[in-house]
Amino acid sequence: DAGVIQSPRHEVTEMGQEVTLRCKPISGHDYLFWYRQTMMRGLELLIYFNNNVPIDDSGMPEDRFSAKMPNASFSTLKIQPSEPRDSAVYFCASSLTSGDNRNEQFFGPGTRLTVL
Amino acid sequence: AQSVTQLGSHVSVSEGALVLLRCNYSSSVPPYLFWYVQYPNQGLQLLLKYTSAATLVKGINGFEAEFKKSETSFHLTKPSAHMSDAAEYFCAVNPSGGYQKVTFGTGTKLQVIP
Repeated sequence: DAGVIQSPRHEVTEMGQEVTLRCKPISGHDYLFWYRQTMMRGLELLIYFNNNVPIDDSGMPEDRFSAKMPNASFSTLKIQPSEPRDSAVYFCASSLTSGDNRNEQFFGPGTRLTVL
Repeated sequence: AQSVTQLGSHVSVSEGALVLLRCNYSSSVPPYLFWYVQYPNQGLQLLLKYTSAATLVKGINGFEAEFKKSETSFHLTKPSAHMSDAAEYFCAVNPSGGYQKVTFGTGTKLQVIP
């Protein structure tokens, strides 16, 4: 398996622009998580899905952020409009409810977002 | 509710010395506990996990951790540090029973001095 795939790996944009981050979870995993990592705030859980349904979005910082999971193999995190304080590394992770690896989160390589 | 506390945001050890990274947890139900490692410019990777089986858990790269319920601790150790161990380490907890939301600690950066 290729693992969790994220694109793009790097994104540089200007303030006010829309940014879309993409994630393909590991095939068969039923949970998907979006995290943000910064030096100041560490690793923050933004939102997570179970079977494509959002379960908890309490970590989404504000209405500028939205996430969707239209099917089991794809999710997006959108920021509109983007601001410099959104600059961070965004990680996607997926996990299984059952089996030997249950509860283990598999992380993607991350998307480094820079908003100028 | 669950939480983890990692003591020491930075730890330095000499190459060949013992590595000890501390983690204390709080959980209202029996926990699952994890240690993850993050190398520069990479995502987090699982080192080891405790899921209520053996209290001494062995992971990859020679790391191990011991679950001590009486101390609510899950410290990570390695007998002899290698330069390649330089990374950031995260302790994490979630309640057992299929609940998937994991709470991560703030991380400890390990520096290995040659």
